[in-house]
Amino acid sequence: SQQGEEDPQALSIQEGENATMNCSYKTSINNLQWYRQNSGRGLVHLILIRSNEREKHSGRLRVTLDTSKKSSSLLITASRAADTASYFCATFKSYGKLTFGQGTILTVHP
Amino acid sequence: DVKVTQSSRYLVKRTGEKVFLECVQDMDHENMFWYRQDPGLGLRLIYFSYDVKMKEKGDIPEGYSVSREKKERFSLILESASTNQTSMYLCASSFGSPLHFGNGTRLTVT
Repeated sequence: SQQGEEDPQALSIQEGENATMNCSYKTSINNLQWYRQNSGRGLVHLILIRSNEREKHSGRLRVTLDTSKKSSSLLITASRAADTASYFCATFKSYGKLTFGQGTILTVHP
Repeated sequence: DVKVTQSSRYLVKRTGEKVFLECVQDMDHENMFWYRQDPGLGLRLIYFSYDVKMKEKGDIPEGYSVSREKKERFSLILESASTNQTSMYLCASSFGSPLHFGNGTRLTVT
């Protein structure tokens, strides 16, 4: 299976609720990144967490990293309909090469 | 802001045609990447380049080649297009992390 697997594959919530997505990976990493993709568009970088960090915040985003469990989670607080998108985690080892997971499709209902 | 431009948003080609997908970035990034994205499979790396005239195979290079004659331009070539190469192709560039993506080229091979 691929490095960087997201869970769940799809998530449907109401506006105002929190959304949590998880990512597991298999090998050691330099950093882990989360990206967002609106339908039919390219990916946009959201947040990067280094292997020596445990938690990071950016606006309504909170990312955690547990290197002992080789897992990460992305929390979006107070979700909005505009947060509807696919979210991908990606692991970075070297040479700028990222390995992406299959993504979580988030739907936020108004 | 970094801009990564993919020359075509949509392409329709016939089986056996030689297909060129062009990508240009305006931030003097050393690294450039080609991914393909398919439902249920996420993003898979085809080729990447970390310098002019340098290229490295990614996870799925079969049936593809690349060219990087200038730092800002990275071309993906399908020597003889086949129907199983129908996909969304995403170009990205970076200087380390994170990656900056273009909006993608949706290629249909009939």
